[in-house]
Amino acid sequence: NAGVTQTPKFQVLKTGQSMTLQCAQDMNHNSMYWYRQDPGMGLRLIYYSASEGTTDKGEVPNGYNVSRLNKREFSLRLESAAPSQTSVYFCASSRTEMYGYTFGSGTRLTVV
Amino acid sequence: DAKTTQPTSMDCAEGRAANLPCNHSTISGNEYVYWYRQIHSQGPQYIIHGLKNNETNEMASLIITEDRKSSTLILPHATLRDTAVYYCIVRVLSNQGGKLIFGQGTELSVKP
Repeated sequence: NAGVTQTPKFQVLKTGQSMTLQCAQDMNHNSMYWYRQDPGMGLRLIYYSASEGTTDKGEVPNGYNVSRLNKREFSLRLESAAPSQTSVYFCASSRTEMYGYTFGSGTRLTVV
Repeated sequence: DAKTTQPTSMDCAEGRAANLPCNHSTISGNEYVYWYRQIHSQGPQYIIHGLKNNETNEMASLIITEDRKSSTLILPHATLRDTAVYYCIVRVLSNQGGKLIFGQGTELSVKP
């Protein structure tokens, strides 16, 4: 089925390690987003890309970098992971604002 | 984007209508009301959105007051699978992609 695919689904990192979370959508959507969700909390926007070639900071961008590789793919990189970055990370995309967002199933990241 | 206020939790009997309220007293004229839900540990799911008029789709109905300072999401015949956290969000539509900012939401429990 068409949608947003996130890899990996689970990851454990040691403090200071780096990694890239991958996100791809096959719906020809223009905009893509990265959110994090801590236990018992709502989602917080990390970065977003309104269109291919552009990226902007969200509510909690510190400690992260993003790359909009092409229209389909939007990756999130942790250069030096910290325990505070233990969270569930969701990627989302939207064609235009009128159609709402489609979310991926999430990446569960633990930093020890 | 305007701030929203929702009850922390609500219960509903299976088969009955679930009415989820949302206050957005500082909403601007060009801000839309969006509803999403998140079923345990999954990515959020778009439900419905509206500007001024009441809206209905296959999932739910959205009732917006005339002064637009509050709205109600109605699930006409709630089932156990509707147990989820429901988020009410107000935001401006933008050709630049914009941002969807989540609050704490309402945890709806549908009981047999």
